[in-house]
Amino acid sequence: AQSVSQHNHHVILSEAASLELGCNYSYGGTVNLFWYVQYPGQHLQLLLKYFSGDPLVKGIKGFEAEFIKSKFSFNLRKPSVQWSDTAEYFCAVNTGTASKLTFGTGTRLQVTL
Amino acid sequence: GAGVSQSPSNKVTEKGKDVELRCDPISGHTALYWYRQSLGQGLEFLIYFQGNSAPDKSGLPSDRFSAERTGGSVSTLTIQRTQQEDSAVYLCASSLSGDRYGYTFGSGTRLTVV
Repeated sequence: AQSVSQHNHHVILSEAASLELGCNYSYGGTVNLFWYVQYPGQHLQLLLKYFSGDPLVKGIKGFEAEFIKSKFSFNLRKPSVQWSDTAEYFCAVNTGTASKLTFGTGTRLQVTL
Repeated sequence: GAGVSQSPSNKVTEKGKDVELRCDPISGHTALYWYRQSLGQGLEFLIYFQGNSAPDKSGLPSDRFSAERTGGSVSTLTIQRTQQEDSAVYLCASSLSGDRYGYTFGSGTRLTVV
């Protein structure tokens, strides 16, 4: 069964700092990869997703993620964070043969002014 | 509706009571999922419905948990004889087809067992 690891549990950054959140998965076959965001008091929303093709995926609000197959990673990046990016971020994976998403434990991002 | 609707938004129940949580998915979405979100635990998969296929119940933590989906639309998650460790936010999500589209989540039901 697949699993997802998010090693950063809580990240604190100042506005305008660059962001990189780590995500590693364990599964040897074809995967679909996702990042979800949960703003305070709101429901989970899809940030971006990767199925195939260009390993650099661009999502909403200036976020991007890079799929590195050799490292089993799908790290989330943003060049310059804003206070409004304060949220919890979840990486998730499913495989070509299974529909259900397996989520990481999440990374809480706190952006200070 | 425009999104995934869950009710109630909050539920406080006494230990040992049964509870029912409801999910109304996006119209036309054939796949429906239940997850549980506990503090510091991430999202834990519970059960998955896809069309008329038998549900994937592999994530249900005990036989006190059950779910059904009537008419391929609304789903109800039932927890019998609730325990304090059942306290969590129960999330429902739906998708057009499981694999490649990601999910649309509801706002969840916060269950507190006292």
